[in-house]
Amino acid sequence: GQNIDQPTEMTATEGAIVQINCTYQTSGFNGLFWYQQHAGEAPTFLSYNVLDGLEEKGRFSSFLSRSKGYSYLLLKELQMKDSASYLCAVMDSNYQLIWGAGTKLIIKP
Amino acid sequence: GAVVSQHPSWVICKSGTSVKIECRSLDFQATTMFWYRQFPKQSLMLMATSNEGSKATYEQGVEKDKFLINHASLTLSTLTVTSAHPEDSSFYICSARDSEPNQETQYFGPGTRLLVL
Repeated sequence: GQNIDQPTEMTATEGAIVQINCTYQTSGFNGLFWYQQHAGEAPTFLSYNVLDGLEEKGRFSSFLSRSKGYSYLLLKELQMKDSASYLCAVMDSNYQLIWGAGTKLIIKP
Repeated sequence: GAVVSQHPSWVICKSGTSVKIECRSLDFQATTMFWYRQFPKQSLMLMATSNEGSKATYEQGVEKDKFLINHASLTLSTLTVTSAHPEDSSFYICSARDSEPNQETQYFGPGTRLLVL
């Protein structure tokens, strides 16, 4: 079966760095996405990785290792507004997104 | 960036009535749109994939006669919840994928909260 694993909840301190991991097992791979979802709102797109390596976009970076079925989202200089759920999703061979359950990130002052 | 809108944002209706939700891609064309449902504190659940000019593809367990999808143009898809019941109360979110080649990202609408009394 297809499976996306990510931690349920993480806590970090304002100004610090946090890494949210995602491991996956899917039928085929056409890219991995990270989305941010604030409570009560729809997800917003953060990043897309289809090749191995690190993609940096401001305070957020995303890393992919296809051979290991592994990705992480790195958030630097954490701000209170970064408190949200972070969803990992993999596009399978049918170009459908397979979603992880999301990681709730709690930022403390 | 790509913008997707949904209308209405909120809807409250009586049990047995039908509710139509619109999803529009505002600055790009979307051959494919997706409809999701999200219950509180749960992950997104794909309901169906909507392709412009053809029938939608429904996920297992989703009743196609209850959740009618129409994707009549490259910028508009509609989801109609027919004969709504309280258990249909949920957060319905659409997403759209740009028709341009090599555009795999799905962009989400703001969602529609449905409350069936």
